Amino acid sequence: SYVLTQPPSVSVAPGQTARITCGGNNIDSKSVHWYQQKPGQAPLMVVYDDSGRPSGIPERFYGSNSGNAATLTISRVEAGDEAAYYCQVWDIISDHLVFGGGTKLTVL
Amino acid sequence: QITLKESGPTLVKPTQTLTLTCTFSGFSLSTGGETVAWIRQPPGEALEWLALINWADDKRYSPSLKSRLTITKDTSKNQVVLTMANMDPVDTATFYCAHRQRGRGRIDAWGQGTLVTVSS
Repeated sequence: SYVLTQPPSVSVAPGQTARITCGGNNIDSKSVHWYQQKPGQAPLMVVYDDSGRPSGIPERFYGSNSGNAATLTISRVEAGDEAAYYCQVWDIISDHLVFGGGTKLTVL
Repeated sequence: QITLKESGPTLVKPTQTLTLTCTFSGFSLSTGGETVAWIRQPPGEALEWLALINWADDKRYSPSLKSRLTITKDTSKNQVVLTMANMDPVDTATFYCAHRQRGRGRIDAWGQGTLVTVSS
């Protein structure tokens, strides 16, 4: 089955740019979605279809997808962005959902 | 607006079968393209997809848990039921039901989640 690999943690100072990667074999052939999850809350989609942004999500959140890695970029990081972030794809052939292992973003 | 809510026991004993119900509104599982998924998350760990069911009653399961899972739907009640057999303490987790956007691979709505603890 398809595997998505994320770094366990990323740390960044306020105002800086955070980049969270999601690795997968030829992942650029799939649509990648990103979810933010704060403690005690359900996940919230922050990017869909590689680079789309749901209504209400700040423009500071944007995504890209190329080769074997997708990236969630958060610019001008704020304390409120501290959360776990998960990438997810849909394996169309098997009709399975796949999640990455998650990345804990720490704002220093 | 789509809403989903999970219900079921908060505590189960090892070897027992867990039964969870997802009650939803804002869509119908009799409409083409609609899908409901179950996802779990052990404390402090990652999200793990478990199963999904669609409007046509097609069912898909995580390969690693397929032998223990059963997903069904009751369209008239707007409910989806997940059963997981032979529960073990390592299955302690928050279980989420979620709506997969029609024709897409992304989750656009989540339930609040329900914590299930497996302990004797």
